[in-house]
Amino acid sequence: DAEITQSPRHKITETGRQVTLACHQTWNHNNMFWYRQDLGHGLRLIHYSYGVQDTNKGEVSDGYSVSRSNTEDLPLTLESAASSQTSVYFCASREGVNGKLFFGSGTQLSVL
Amino acid sequence: AQSVSQHNHHVILSEAASLELGCNYSYGGTVNLFWYVQYPGQHLQLLLKYFSGDPLVKGIKGFEAEFIKSKFSFNLRKPSVQWSDTAEYFCAVNPNTGNQFYFGTGTSLTVIP
Repeated sequence: DAEITQSPRHKITETGRQVTLACHQTWNHNNMFWYRQDLGHGLRLIHYSYGVQDTNKGEVSDGYSVSRSNTEDLPLTLESAASSQTSVYFCASREGVNGKLFFGSGTQLSVL
Repeated sequence: AQSVSQHNHHVILSEAASLELGCNYSYGGTVNLFWYVQYPGQHLQLLLKYFSGDPLVKGIKGFEAEFIKSKFSFNLRKPSVQWSDTAEYFCAVNPNTGNQFYFGTGTSLTVIP
């Protein structure tokens, strides 16, 4: 079955380190998204992509970057991890503008 | 394993009709509960949330949800829907023991003018 997978499920890192979270989907969806989930804030959009070589900033993009070299993958990179980036990160994909959103299972990141 | 079930996959209503979307979860401990909404062409937004206290919570745009612990449910309601409520609605559960969130598969609501 087609799916969207995130790795790792859990990650502990130190401040200042570069961290990359993987997101891979097998639906061949053009639209992919990264969210962070924080209690009291709900889900907030970090970056999104509407296709290969297309990337866009969301509402909380500072300190993060993404790249889209193929349809299946949208890795999220924290250039220099900060404690404020401790969160749960969700990747999602969608077939079209009005298509159903599919979420990954999340990556719990702790920055110490 | 924890799971979140949204039994209504697609709902079609006329304007002014009442809405109730079901959400059930399987987790025996304390949970935080959320409803998210995704309007066409837009990104996910938080509709309402329950952490503790009054089990009837009110959210934006006239939505409310009731937490019934004995039924492991957190159903979303709105007395009178509008065409602008056409969207995808996601229920999510966060066990109080950690930061992991579990989402339902979503319910697509279409409101006919």
